[in-house]
Amino acid sequence: AQSVSQHNHHVILSEAASLELGCNYSYGGTVNLFWYVQYPGQHLQLLLKYFSGDPLVKGIKGFEAEFIKSKFSFNLRKPSVQWSDTAEYFCAVTLNFGNEKLTFGTGTRLTIIP
Amino acid sequence: DAGITQSPRYKITETGRQVTLMCHQTWSHSYMFWYRQDLGHGLRLIYYSAAADITDKGEVPDGYVVSRSKTENFPLTLESATRSQTSVYFCASRPGTANTEAFFGQGTRLTVV
Repeated sequence: AQSVSQHNHHVILSEAASLELGCNYSYGGTVNLFWYVQYPGQHLQLLLKYFSGDPLVKGIKGFEAEFIKSKFSFNLRKPSVQWSDTAEYFCAVTLNFGNEKLTFGTGTRLTIIP
Repeated sequence: DAGITQSPRYKITETGRQVTLMCHQTWSHSYMFWYRQDLGHGLRLIYYSAAADITDKGEVPDGYVVSRSKTENFPLTLESATRSQTSVYFCASRPGTANTEAFFGQGTRLTVV
């Protein structure tokens, strides 16, 4: 079964700092990869997704992620964070064929200090 | 309005009682999912459904029952609630075609006392 690891449990940054959140998955086949964001008290919203093609994916609010197949990674980046980026971020994976379950990592809490 | 809605948003129940959480989507998505969110565990899949009358266990199914008699509804029942089932429950849906993302409901915060 696939699994997802997010190594950073809680990240604290100042506004305008650069962000990189790690995500690794364990599955050797074709996968679909996602980053979801959960603002305080809200439901999960999709930030960006990768299905195929260009491994550098751009999402909403200036976020991007790079799929590196050889490293089984899909790290999330943002060059300059804002206070409004304070949220919890979840990486998720689903297999491309057969098993349609969406498996999540444990999440990374991001706190931005004004 | 179109979308995915969960009810109730908040629920307090006593240990041993049966509780049903409702999930309704208006997109006719094939797949529906139930997750629970707990600190330190992220989101864990309880049950999912690929279509009406087709359900399957996820990672943490014990103590839960689901049904899917209609495509748009996917209720989750706790047959005899326990304190360990205190959690935030999220329902999600996605189309049956490949390369699509899941959409989440607002969540139900359940407290078992």
